Amino acid sequence: EPEVTQTPSHQVTQMGQEVILRCVPISNHLYFYWYRQILGQKVEFLVSFYNNEISEKSEIFDDQFSVERPDGSNFTLKIRSTKLEDSAMYFCASSEALRTNQPQHFGDGTRLSIL
Amino acid sequence: DQQVKQNSPSLSVQEGRISILNCDYTNSMFDYFLWYKKYPAEGPTFLISISSIKDKNEDGRFTVFLNKSAKHLSLHIVPSQPGDSAVYFCAASGSNYKLTFGKGTLLTVNP
Repeated sequence: EPEVTQTPSHQVTQMGQEVILRCVPISNHLYFYWYRQILGQKVEFLVSFYNNEISEKSEIFDDQFSVERPDGSNFTLKIRSTKLEDSAMYFCASSEALRTNQPQHFGDGTRLSIL
Repeated sequence: DQQVKQNSPSLSVQEGRISILNCDYTNSMFDYFLWYKKYPAEGPTFLISISSIKDKNEDGRFTVFLNKSAKHLSLHIVPSQPGDSAVYFCAASGSNYKLTFGKGTLLTVNP
């Protein structure tokens, strides 16, 4: 069964450094998402992306965050200057279409640890 | 943000019995509801969904029930198996398609 893959599985970064989290969505999917889960808290929506544009973003997704689809297969999340509070599991998801009954499928996540 | 609530942090059932996981929501604009299962060190895995025009959807051992007037949905697993032990997340979306998740319920199925 096709799946969403994320790399790396664990990223340790010094505060203030830039980090790029990578995702390969399911190949025929057109809609891409990033979510995060801070330890002990809910999974939270960050951003959705379609047709090389951000469709929607949450208030968490400030100017420090950016997303890009640099080629036909990768989808990346960049954090420009990391803060301690950015430490979380980051999940990438994709869906085939943007309509009811098209569930989002998630990768296994990248654990981001900011020191 | 308490738009999706799973009030039971954990549930323990015996193998072969029914597991019932509950979820409440407050946003009447939600029209699509999903259940995800999550094992440690893995991402959420889609399990089953239901749109707001239905009140029941069944897939094998898994059935989701939606009560729109009560803003309540539930996931029934029958018969429960030890491999079903995981964290179960309820999620909901509206016209913007972003998912709003509950905090999850840890299900333990005892052999």
